[in-house]
Amino acid sequence: QKEVEQDPGPLSVPEGAIVSLNCTYSNSAFQYFMWYRQYSRKGPELLMYTYSSGNKEDGRFTAQVDKSSKYISLFIRDSQPSDSATYLCASYTGNQFYFGTGTSLTVIP
Amino acid sequence: KAGVTQTPRYLIKTRGQQVTLSCSPISGHRSVSWYQQTPGQGLQFLFEYFSETQRNKGNFPGRFSGRQFSNSRSEMNVSTLELGDSALYLCASSLASEGQPQHFGDGTRLSIL
Repeated sequence: QKEVEQDPGPLSVPEGAIVSLNCTYSNSAFQYFMWYRQYSRKGPELLMYTYSSGNKEDGRFTAQVDKSSKYISLFIRDSQPSDSATYLCASYTGNQFYFGTGTSLTVIP
Repeated sequence: KAGVTQTPRYLIKTRGQQVTLSCSPISGHRSVSWYQQTPGQGLQFLFEYFSETQRNKGNFPGRFSGRQFSNSRSEMNVSTLELGDSALYLCASSLASEGQPQHFGDGTRLSIL
């Protein structure tokens, strides 16, 4: 079992929709959680960074961590075609980062 | 502030050759990690260097090696290349304080013929 599991999709939504991206993790020692966005032919770009449980909002993006169920979510409101990318969740413990395999998202104009 | 810079962006090699990839981290970042990314496996951790010392290592064969210089720049070497080594190799740097996130370069696309 991988440390971080992520549904690879692909996910296709119409412009303006609310997108929900999800990951689960197995290691209860994880304290730091991240979401990255990766466009084609580019490296992953840090989108959100949270510590422990709770919500963090940044513009149209909300990251949510539920440590009781070991669940990580990223919500995108008013999705735009420019949001079309692969989204990777990640966590950290013991000086090492663990990544999900990524969810491919397409926002259709 | 300049981001993580990786060179070269693209490389084509043949089986049996060796290759060296370079990474310049964000200024002030002392931790540098290397990852292999393939469509089927996602991001796989190769190794991490901090203050010129390898601090963590993933499950890759000894053909994959790296080093870090005193200015935090890092190189990764792959010897005796195999077809399966074709991948995007990503470098990421961080402040190396507890839980500080990593920032990635755009990678080196390595193709083995």
